[in-house]
Amino acid sequence: DAKTTQPPSMDCAEGRAANLPCNHSTISGNEYVYWYRQIHSQGPQYIIHGLKNNETNEMASLIITEDRKSSTLILPHATLRDTAVYYCIVASTGYSTLTFGKGTMLLVSP
Amino acid sequence: NAGVTQTPKFQVLKTGQSMTLQCAQDMNHEYMSWYRQDPGMGLRLIHYSVGAGITDQGEVPNGYNVSRSTTEDFPLRLLSAAPSQTSVYFCASSPVAGGHYEQYFGPGTRLTVT
Repeated sequence: DAKTTQPPSMDCAEGRAANLPCNHSTISGNEYVYWYRQIHSQGPQYIIHGLKNNETNEMASLIITEDRKSSTLILPHATLRDTAVYYCIVASTGYSTLTFGKGTMLLVSP
Repeated sequence: NAGVTQTPKFQVLKTGQSMTLQCAQDMNHEYMSWYRQDPGMGLRLIHYSVGAGITDQGEVPNGYNVSRSTTEDFPLRLLSAAPSQTSVYFCASSPVAGGHYEQYFGPGTRLTVT
């Protein structure tokens, strides 16, 4: 599986959009981009995934660049409860085993 | 649905002791897996199963055994506990092994080996 690069930490003001970047420059054609988050001491929680089109659900939006070498997870109106470690993961078609890196620690402040 | 449940929530073992961490899911998911998470680290895959009777090793399988006799249960056995196995253990399940559905994680078991 391709590896990902994320900043170790980011800050965001409550109510503002949080934009979390992920670099996956070695991604191959059949690999998807997944995002999970882990709130302190809890099990990870699935957020969203995509192949090449932008995706949106009730939690977030995922923007994937045209060359698929990077992506951005957008939390449109961050709240204090969004403070968590966010993991960007790349996994190939038919592959359910996820490789978690260290992720990005997002701190949302009042 | 209860989702993915794990027992116990906390456990302290002495070096050399054995124990089983329990994981159960009531969503009829085919795929189940065990991860460990050490302080400040991401999750690392220990073992996984794509269905009853089928298991395989992940990234860090040494010192652990698994079996999958039913769809619902996927216990993780520590054969002879070592301090290096002090960690938080998470179990996860997913509806289809070959698909791209979200993985559901349990609340974790915090294990300390002294």
